[in-house]
Amino acid sequence: KAGVTQTPRYLIKTRGQQVTLSCSPISGHRSVSWYQQTPGQGLQFLFEYFSETQRNKGNFPGRFSGRQFSNSRSEMNVSTLELGDSALYLCASSFPPGTSVGNEQFFGPGTRLTVL
Amino acid sequence: GNSVTQMEGPVTLSEEAFLTINCTYTATGYPSLFWYVQYPGEGLQLLLKATKADDKGSNKGFEATYRKETTSFHLEKGSVQVSDSAVYFCALRGLDSSYKLIFGSGTRLLVRP
Repeated sequence: KAGVTQTPRYLIKTRGQQVTLSCSPISGHRSVSWYQQTPGQGLQFLFEYFSETQRNKGNFPGRFSGRQFSNSRSEMNVSTLELGDSALYLCASSFPPGTSVGNEQFFGPGTRLTVL
Repeated sequence: GNSVTQMEGPVTLSEEAFLTINCTYTATGYPSLFWYVQYPGEGLQLLLKATKADDKGSNKGFEATYRKETTSFHLEKGSVQVSDSAVYFCALRGLDSSYKLIFGSGTRLLVRP
């Protein structure tokens, strides 16, 4: 079955712009999480969604936001981009919490965002 | 708060050598523990997991045992291949119902023929 897909794969923006990244989870998965990966800070949790509700949020400024749609697809938005937002943004999907099918997350290939 | 500490890389080995990548964690209770692998230009792939003390996760020749007494989850492989060259991340998931993963800093493995 198809894995987690993320679009676009690569993106170049300039400071001050905003960007929207998209994530389509594996069919049947209803939880989606987002992570930021940078050489300096490593992998950091951004937020987690289940049934269109944000369940958990990492320690990022309000410029970072997200949402989940009724089909479980998710988007994240970064407004007023800064140079430090350049990173690989990873999306992961999983079955709903508490289900018996396992608690692992499956990651997409990521969106590489470069802010100039 | 919860945290994961991994050994610094890069780790450079010859093919067929024994691999150990150390991982220790700080957490309350019994978190779930994971090893993920990232190949160049790709996302993360789950390599193995363990959800309770003394569990051993294994996959593709890799193994790791959940040691509560030493709060460790070291990754081992008896004979590495060139194709194992990648970055390896140790991670934990806490006891709440969230899927939030806390990752170590990653260890780059380079296997030479």
